Amino acid sequence: GQNIDQPTEMTATEGAIVQINCTYQTSGFNGLFWYQQHAGEAPTFLSYNVLDGLEEKGRFSSFLSRSKGYSYLLLKELQMKDSASYLCAPSGGSYIPTFGRGTSLIVHP
Amino acid sequence: DVKVTQSSRYLVKRTGEKVFLECVQDMDHENMFWYRQDPGLGLRLIYFSYDVKMKEKGDIPEGYSVSREKKERFSLILESASTNQTSMYLCASSAGQVPDTQYFGPGTRLTVL
Repeated sequence: GQNIDQPTEMTATEGAIVQINCTYQTSGFNGLFWYQQHAGEAPTFLSYNVLDGLEEKGRFSSFLSRSKGYSYLLLKELQMKDSASYLCAPSGGSYIPTFGRGTSLIVHP
Repeated sequence: DVKVTQSSRYLVKRTGEKVFLECVQDMDHENMFWYRQDPGLGLRLIYFSYDVKMKEKGDIPEGYSVSREKKERFSLILESASTNQTSMYLCASSAGQVPDTQYFGPGTRLTVL
């Protein structure tokens, strides 16, 4: 089975850095996705981690610790357009990700 | 770019009606998925398909069925719609590689009265 925990909501200021944490318990874990979903739109792929460590992609980075069942998404130089829901999605033996309930990030001026 | 389209953006149906939601992808993807998304519950997998004519139950298949007669098309069927099936329905497809990134359609907001 899968158990995914991420904060429901976070707020941050434009230009700041925010870290969105996710803990999970996933049978046969083989990787973890992060997706971004703007209000009223479809989720879009942000990152995928399979090995421990930090993966950097522009202003966004994602970290994974397999032994701790822990990941975070780091957003730097926040912009207003980063206001969205961020979905943590570990995948298990079937390689199909299970989506967490999402963290709604509000960026204010 | 991968394009996943869904037949309707908004749909209103009555209790007991049979409802068809259509999804088409244009990237020759092997896998297709149907999710529903509800506030506070996140995305939940209803059914998925690895190949034509193949289907697998997801986490919440009750009250739904699916059909995949062609590789590019995956249909979700509500045999007798009920009010608790009012939701946002999202279709996705993936190539079946690792990582198996999913590409989502724009969603269909279904209201059952």
